[in-house]
Amino acid sequence: GQNIDQPTEMTATEGAIVQINCTYQTSGFNGLFWYQQHAGEAPTFLSYNVLDGLEEKGRFSSFLSRSKGYSYLLLKELQMKDSASYLCAVRDTGGYQKVTFGTGTKLQVIP
Amino acid sequence: NAGVTQTPKFQVLKTGQSMTLQCAQDMNHEYMSWYRQDPGMGLRLIHYSVGAGITDQGEVPNGYNVSRSTTEDFPLRLLSAAPSQTSVYFCASRPVDRANTEAFFGQGTRLTVV
Repeated sequence: GQNIDQPTEMTATEGAIVQINCTYQTSGFNGLFWYQQHAGEAPTFLSYNVLDGLEEKGRFSSFLSRSKGYSYLLLKELQMKDSASYLCAVRDTGGYQKVTFGTGTKLQVIP
Repeated sequence: NAGVTQTPKFQVLKTGQSMTLQCAQDMNHEYMSWYRQDPGMGLRLIHYSVGAGITDQGEVPNGYNVSRSTTEDFPLRLLSAAPSQTSVYFCASRPVDRANTEAFFGQGTRLTVV
């Protein structure tokens, strides 16, 4: 099975940088996803990591260390619209590669 | 391109009533799944399907049934609604043969059981 941990809430200032951590314990690993979810809306895809290292996509970057069972999402130049929940999700190696979600980190960006 | 469409968006049921949440996708995705999202619990997998005629249970399947008669549709049935099933339900789809492909989510159904 999968066990995924994320901080429940974080607050950061507009224009700053924030790092959201995710640790996981899994019986099989086949990739880690980050999703963004605004209140009352569906999750939307941000990033995917399957190999160790940093993936950069504009203001957002995601890092993975498979040996440590650790990932983080880095948000730069924070904007008010970045206030949302950020969900870490791990795909397993089973036949149908099910995805398990963490409980999410609610980020509040303040002026 | 509509993506994943869920209906209804909101629903109130009385305890013991049954209903079906509808989910349809037009991307020809083999893999479809249903999640429920509760405060502090994250998204939890209810049932999933990897193609027409193939379904399997997720981590919280009790009280729910699914079927997959076509690639496009994956309805979720609540057999006898209970207050514990008050939640937001999301349907998602993705191709089954590409591991790095993200899931596409519907807009959710907000269900209240009184």
